[in-house]
This record gives sequence, C-alpha cells and structure tokens, in this order.
Amino acid sequence: DVKVTQSSRYLVKRTGEKVFLECVQDMDHENMFWYRQDPGLGLRLIYFSYDVKMKEKGDIPEGYSVSREKKERFSLILESASTNQTSMYLCASSLPGQGAIGELFFGEGSRLTVL
Amino acid sequence: AQSVTQLDSQVPVFEEAPVELRCNYSSSVSVYLFWYVQYPNQGLQLLLKYLSGSTLVKGINGFEAEFNKSQTSFHLRKPSVHISDTAEYFCAVCHTGGFKTIFGAGTRLFVKA
Repeated sequence: DVKVTQSSRYLVKRTGEKVFLECVQDMDHENMFWYRQDPGLGLRLIYFSYDVKMKEKGDIPEGYSVSREKKERFSLILESASTNQTSMYLCASSLPGQGAIGELFFGEGSRLTVL
Repeated sequence: AQSVTQLDSQVPVFEEAPVELRCNYSSSVSVYLFWYVQYPNQGLQLLLKYLSGSTLVKGINGFEAEFNKSQTSFHLRKPSVHISDTAEYFCAVCHTGGFKTIFGAGTRLFVKA
C-alpha cells in the first residue's frame, strides 16, 4: 500500500514563528502536492511538485514556500506564521504521468494552530 | 478555469436509506471527475473516478456516480447507507492533461440509526 506520512499531526505555533511541515511518500511517486483544508472551502492547492527541485504555485501560494530536495520528501514552509494560516494541511502524491488522471494518495493531515 | 459546486453542505439520512450527494462542475475544457471520502481524523481516499467511457461509474463501498455532460453534473449515490458511511465527501475535477485537481467544499453525510 502507498503510504504518505506527515510528520506532525498537531502543531501549535506562535505568530511570526517559522513552521516546517514535512511529508514523505514511500512509493516513488514523482508528483507531490500540498493542500489546505478549511471548513466550507474544501481543499485548496498551495504548491505542487512534479520532480525533484521543481515546484509550481497552486491557487493560494502567498505566505508559503516549499522544498523538494529528494523525490520522497516534500516540505511546506511558513516563513512567518500568521493566525490566518491556522488550518488543516494535507499532503498528497500521485503516480508519474498521472497527475491529472491518477489517484491522489493523501496523508492524514497536519492540524496547525497559530496563536 | 474549473470550479466545483457541491450543492449540499450536510446530508442527514437514516441507516439503510438511499442517498444522493450532488456535484456540479464548470469547465471550458474536457475534465476528469473524482469523488473522495474523508473519515474523521483521516486523510482523503478515492471513492471513484470518471475518465471516459460509460457514464455510470462504480466505486468502493457500494457507491456509484453518474456523469452527465449536458448538465455538467457528477452526483454520487448509494442505495442503502450504513452508519460507517458517516464521513465528508468531496467532489473533484481536473482538466485532461493538467496537474491541478480542484475540490468542492465538501458534503458531510450523517447516517443515523
């Protein structure tokens, strides 16, 4: 089974702190994604990556950056956390060449609270 | 640009009753369509997907969905629900050849005994 692991299920940070959310997948997927999930808004794409060191902005990239140094790992970085970034963050991966038609495999999510 | 509208934010239903969760999409190009389910405190998992061919798609756990191109809809149905179907369901769309999957706001299904 594909496994997407997000390093922290729950985090509490203070405004202005730098936050790292880590995601690792174990199935050699080339495509990886970071989504943000908020009630009533569904999932919104923050960033995605289709290869090592490659990244593309999603629909809401402001206030975030990402890093993909290794194929299996995709990190989301909040340079200076703000209260409006309190949310559930979901990482996903998909098979190569199937970014549009293949199944997205999701981690269990990281719930971030910024005080 | 694509968009997805899930017409009901919450759907309460009694156990063993049928259910339909409605989804409409908007796109100027051909799309692929998906339904995902999220159980409490878990990530999302794929229920079913429509890529091409037969407009009636069967998925896991007895769910099915019908693609209606003229009405731009992809409604999810189950003839008899169980308590264990209580979850949030997301409709999603992606245009053919693209990377971005766009999700609807979600529908919370509550199955009551």
